[in-house]
Amino acid sequence: QSALTQPASVSGSPGQSITISCTGSSSDVGGYNLVSWFQQHPGKAPKLMIYDVSNRPSGVSNRFSGSKSGNTASLTISGLQAEDEADYYCHSYRTISSYVFGTGTKVTVL
Amino acid sequence: QVQLVQSGAEVKKPGASVKVSCKAAGYTLTGYWMHWVRQAPGQGLEWMGCINLNSGDTHSTQNFQDRVTMTKDTSISTAYMELSSLRSDDTAVYYCAREKSGTSTFDVWGQGTMVTVSS
Repeated sequence: QSALTQPASVSGSPGQSITISCTGSSSDVGGYNLVSWFQQHPGKAPKLMIYDVSNRPSGVSNRFSGSKSGNTASLTISGLQAEDEADYYCHSYRTISSYVFGTGTKVTVL
Repeated sequence: QVQLVQSGAEVKKPGASVKVSCKAAGYTLTGYWMHWVRQAPGQGLEWMGCINLNSGDTHSTQNFQDRVTMTKDTSISTAYMELSSLRSDDTAVYYCAREKSGTSTFDVWGQGTMVTVSS
């Protein structure tokens, strides 16, 4: 029942790009194109930012993009803005009929 | 506007049970899976389980299999999650989240329900 592995923190200056990694296994991230990313501000419910590895829901800025290689998925935020400061969680379907979140990454805008 | 509205905060003693409700507004409850996710204070998100709002089929993680019961009442567009044999480490915010149709992700979340377990 182990969580997907994310870096605890990532930081960047306004306008820069940052990338958050999410490492799992062939039973989850590597086995399915069903990786999502959620943004969570303090005291708020999570918000869907990316689904099915690289798709953006309507209304989400195109500064957010997702990708996957093998057992590792990535979220890239380009043109970093102050409002992007939040916690980010990856999420994946896991064999069988189960789901798992990542450990979470705190993004700081310097 | 599509939204999920959860019941209010609860304080329970160890060993008791808690039942959290999640009412859908702005869309038809059936035709979706509803998931339950919790977040302990200062910690990450933890998937607990899900229920098919048509069939009532459920899946849950082994961590909760014996203690969690997910149900639905489609007549009032409400899903429920009951957690039994509460322990202090069950203190957390509990969220319901709708599975986005045709995907395995969660596109609509409730506001969260704080459950505190304390003697």
